[in-house]
Amino acid sequence: DAGVIQSPRHEVTEMGQEVTLRCKPISGHDYLFWYRQTMMRGLELLIYFNNNVPIDDSGMPEDRFSAKMPNASFSTLKIQPSEPRDSAVYFCASTPGTSGGAYSETQYFGPGTRLLVL
Amino acid sequence: GQNIDQPTEMTATEGAIVQINCTYQTSGFNGLFWYQQHAGEAPTFLSYNVLDGLEEKGRFSSFLSRSKGYSYLLLKELQMKDSASYLCAVEGEGGKLIFGQGTELSVKP
Repeated sequence: DAGVIQSPRHEVTEMGQEVTLRCKPISGHDYLFWYRQTMMRGLELLIYFNNNVPIDDSGMPEDRFSAKMPNASFSTLKIQPSEPRDSAVYFCASTPGTSGGAYSETQYFGPGTRLLVL
Repeated sequence: GQNIDQPTEMTATEGAIVQINCTYQTSGFNGLFWYQQHAGEAPTFLSYNVLDGLEEKGRFSSFLSRSKGYSYLLLKELQMKDSASYLCAVEGEGGKLIFGQGTELSVKP
C-alpha cells in the first residue's frame, strides 16, 4: 500500500492567492483528517470526515478555509484568500475506524504539505 | 477548558531509560495516544491507552491513570534514532483529538 498521499509536498504562494491541498487516503479507510502544525500552536485538528461526510469542522480557523471529500479516495483543503499566518505544515491522515470510534488505534499520516504564504 | 501538558524538551544518554510525562484536562476521555515525529516528517503512531495500566510494545511502554489525568511514555535501551518529538494526544468529548505541544527528546552518545 502506498500510504496516505498528499500533494503538493511544498507550496509557496503570495498573500491573497488561492491554495488547494490534496489528499488520497489509504484505500478502505473510513475516516479522513486534516491537521495543521506550527511551532506556536503545535498539531491542530482542522476537520474530519467519516465515509466522505464532514463530521466535525470546529477546528477550521475561519471562512477562508474549506474542505471537501467528493469520494472515498480524494479530499481537498482550500484556503482562499491565503494569508502569511496560514504558513504551516498541513497533514492529512486516515484510519479504518475498526475499533468503533473515529480514531481507532492507529492514524496514518501523510508526508504533509509545507505551505509558505509570502 | 482543554489542556495537555508535557515537557518541552528532554535529554538522555544512549542505552538509558527515559520517561516522558503527560498530564491532561479535557472534556470527556475516549483514549490517549502517543506519536513519534522526526524532524521534517509526519507523526507515526506509537501507542494507545484507554484503560488504566501499562501497555508494553518492545522498547516502548505507555502508562495511563485516568483518575489522575496522567500518562507517561517509557523508552528503554535508548538509541540515537529515538531522537525525535513525542506527542501526547487525547480523544475528548465529541471524538475530538487534542495534541500536546510535544516533547523534543535528544539522545546523546
